Amino acid sequence: DAGVIQSPRHEVTEMGQEVTLRCKPISGHDYLFWYRQTMMRGLELLIYFNNNVPIDDSGMPEDRFSAKMPNASFSTLKIQPSEPRDSAVYFCASSYLAAQETQYFGPGTRLLVL
Amino acid sequence: SQQGEEDPQALSIQEGENATMNCSYKTSINNLQWYRQNSGRGLVHLILIRSNEREKHSGRLRVTLDTSKKSSSLLITASRAADTASYFCATGSNNAGNMLTFGGGTRLMVKP
Repeated sequence: DAGVIQSPRHEVTEMGQEVTLRCKPISGHDYLFWYRQTMMRGLELLIYFNNNVPIDDSGMPEDRFSAKMPNASFSTLKIQPSEPRDSAVYFCASSYLAAQETQYFGPGTRLLVL
Repeated sequence: SQQGEEDPQALSIQEGENATMNCSYKTSINNLQWYRQNSGRGLVHLILIRSNEREKHSGRLRVTLDTSKKSSSLLITASRAADTASYFCATGSNNAGNMLTFGGGTRLMVKP
């Protein structure tokens, strides 16, 4: 069974450009999470979905960030326009039954904004 | 703010020794989980302990939970170089928006 799939694995872009990160959760999982990890701030929850519906987006830093989940097998996190301080590793995770249960993480997208 | 705080922040031991990491939290929880993260990789779930449990084992891992002290410990016995990673505790709490809150992690280095 494939785990959580993220693409791209690495992204280098220039300030002001649009960045789109993609995630495919584990089939059958009801919850999908987007996290950001930096040395300074650790692992931060940005937003999570339940059955494709955004439940809590209080961690989304600014209006420049948006996330969608058009169906149960696909989600995107978009940053427009990107800034150097957005440089981080972005993880997608999914879980079954509840947001507090075991979460399965993807390999992450390492984003560098120049 | 982080619900779980790991201690120590970094730990260096020799292969074969035991490694103990601690996690403290602030509010009541439903469960506490430990995750491992190898360098450049995603987090991997290790073990989940519920609030009504006191101890749980999985292979060389032993987790304890003391809800009266709001703390948990992760013990890795007979450590191996491959155990070198960061270890995070995460708490599941209705007080925290019904989701997991991760601590800052303990960086473990096991020297061969």
